[in-house]
Amino acid sequence: DGGITQSPKYLFRKEGQNVTLSCEQNLNHDAMYWYRQDPGQGLRLIYYSQIVNDFQKGDIAEGYSVSREKKESFPLTVTSAQKNPTAFYLCASSTSGRGQPQHFGDGTRLSIL
Amino acid sequence: QQQVKQSPQSLIVQKGGISIINCAYENTAFDYFPWYQQFPGKGPALLIAIRPDVSEKKEGRFTISFNKSAKQFSLHIMDSQPGDSATYFCAASKPANTGNQFYFGTGTSLTVIP
Repeated sequence: DGGITQSPKYLFRKEGQNVTLSCEQNLNHDAMYWYRQDPGQGLRLIYYSQIVNDFQKGDIAEGYSVSREKKESFPLTVTSAQKNPTAFYLCASSTSGRGQPQHFGDGTRLSIL
Repeated sequence: QQQVKQSPQSLIVQKGGISIINCAYENTAFDYFPWYQQFPGKGPALLIAIRPDVSEKKEGRFTISFNKSAKQFSLHIMDSQPGDSATYFCAASKPANTGNQFYFGTGTSLTVIP
């Protein structure tokens, strides 16, 4: 079955540590997105990528970094510069073209130790 | 600035009743309006979507009503069931030089009481 796989489901970060969240899709989608979800705030865009080797900052990119070396993969690194990383992180993908929906993975919950 | 405003924040409905969630937007460049359903610990799943050239779209018990002049759209869940209890997000997207951009409402937590 085609879909988006996020791993791990739960992740714990120590102070000063960088952690990387994995996102893989086999839907052959060009575009991939990372969102942060906090209670009562909906989904906020961190980074997005429309093609391999290219990505753009979203609304809350500070303290995060991404790479897009393969079409199927869009890992997100939460750096030590992100002072409030505890959240539910969602990866999404979509095809190109107007009016196409996003499809989401099942998220990674990141907590601070 | 919230590009898509969603209300209510929470909603409690009796089984068999109608659940109504409303969203409003300002940017007339939006050309696609999806609704997502999210269960705890899961990612949002596309429920139903509409484009601004139609005023209503129905899929089973779920209907989107779209008012282009008022820049509002709403989700109606008919014959609400306990299994519909979830968080619902409206969204709007617009084309951009760097690809489609999506903007989400803050979500509505729906509880359907048996």
